[in-house]
Amino acid sequence: ETGVTQSPTHLIKTRGQQVTLRCSSQSGHNTVSWYQQALGQGPQFIFQYYREEENGRGNFPPRFSGLQFPNYSSELNVNALELDDSALYLCASSLDRASDEQFFGPGTRLTVL
Amino acid sequence: KNEVEQSPQNLTAQEGEFITINCSYSVGISALHWLQQHPGGGIVSLFMLSSGKKKHGRLIATINIQEKHSSLHITASHPRDSAVYICAAPTTGNQFYFGTGTSLTVIP
Repeated sequence: ETGVTQSPTHLIKTRGQQVTLRCSSQSGHNTVSWYQQALGQGPQFIFQYYREEENGRGNFPPRFSGLQFPNYSSELNVNALELDDSALYLCASSLDRASDEQFFGPGTRLTVL
Repeated sequence: KNEVEQSPQNLTAQEGEFITINCSYSVGISALHWLQQHPGGGIVSLFMLSSGKKKHGRLIATINIQEKHSSLHITASHPRDSAVYICAAPTTGNQFYFGTGTSLTVIP
């Protein structure tokens, strides 16, 4: 059984560009959540996908969007990158919705210059 | 005011000490999670609880639903326990709120 994986591990972009981050859920998990963690801060909830549908969203603008695929892997897309988007982006999968134990990936460190 | 508040923010302890980290929340939750984050970013889920108490090795987590309060205890602390401990609350409205974390340093 493989754990949650994320790619890439590090990424550098410039302001205004677009980025796609990827997450593979733990086997058998149908729910994935994405979080943004700025340096020195706690994680902030971006959104959750359950069975390919958005199932909850935090206080993030529409330029943060996501997808979940039939195999339950997921993407986070961020358009029109801003300097404040620099952060560690974490995904976590769970067996069934946010009330279940979450298994976190190692994160993608995004730097926006 | 944050929906999830943790205290203390920073904690330094001598090896062997009993440690308590507190978490209070103001939202309706379906469960409360305690997470551990080591330097470099990796997060591990320690506990998920919706009532009572759970124990795993030297770690104990309790929750009081009426008082909207949870505690994480570490008995016989060890330097390898040094990490940031975060409480997190998924709400009944499909939001997920995190505390700001407690940075624990255990000195040998």
